Amino acid sequence: GENVEQHPSTLSVQEGDSAVIKCTYSDSASNYFPWYKQELGKRPQLIIDIRSNVGEKKDQRIAVTLNKTAKHFSLHITETQPEDSAVYFCAASNNDMRFGAGTRLTVKP
Amino acid sequence: SAVISQKPSRDICQRGTSLTIQCQVDSQVTMMFWYRQQPGQSLTLIATANQGSEATYESGFVIDKFPISRPNLTFSTLTVSNMSPEDSSIYLCSVEPPLGPDTQYFGPGTRLTVL
Repeated sequence: GENVEQHPSTLSVQEGDSAVIKCTYSDSASNYFPWYKQELGKRPQLIIDIRSNVGEKKDQRIAVTLNKTAKHFSLHITETQPEDSAVYFCAASNNDMRFGAGTRLTVKP
Repeated sequence: SAVISQKPSRDICQRGTSLTIQCQVDSQVTMMFWYRQQPGQSLTLIATANQGSEATYESGFVIDKFPISRPNLTFSTLTVSNMSPEDSSIYLCSVEPPLGPDTQYFGPGTRLTVL
């Protein structure tokens, strides 16, 4: 089955800096890669996703890149703000979605 | 995205009892999922619940412990049976909307504490 690894487990950046979270997956048949943001005590919220026929997708300050050959994908947050502080989960899906272990991002004002 | 609600939002239960968690969606969806999220951990899929068929359980989860109902396209229940403190966790349902294949949206979760 699919195995998703996510790094780093914690990330601390200064406000305004960029943050990058990386994930690798094992199942070459996976074709859908969402990213979720989970604030403390809240549900995971879908923030961006990418499908295997696209290499990059951007939505304002958030971008995701996918390298199918290497089976890895990354989340990029630019101009970080304190409200970006949360746990971020990547996932990979080929009908069954599997989540990474999560990255706790802290943005220091 | 779909509007998803769960009941109860939290509960404290005694060892050996059972709790049924409800998940309600404001639109018809074919695929619903149940996840467990232990404190500080990632999301682990318990089972997939499609209307009109038996739930499909992931490795490590069995129907006797986590029976699921899916009576219609907007509703599902997960029961946590014969609970032990190890079942203390957040249980979340999610749905895959008809026009967004693969995409999943999560309910607010049910925080369960077993004493």
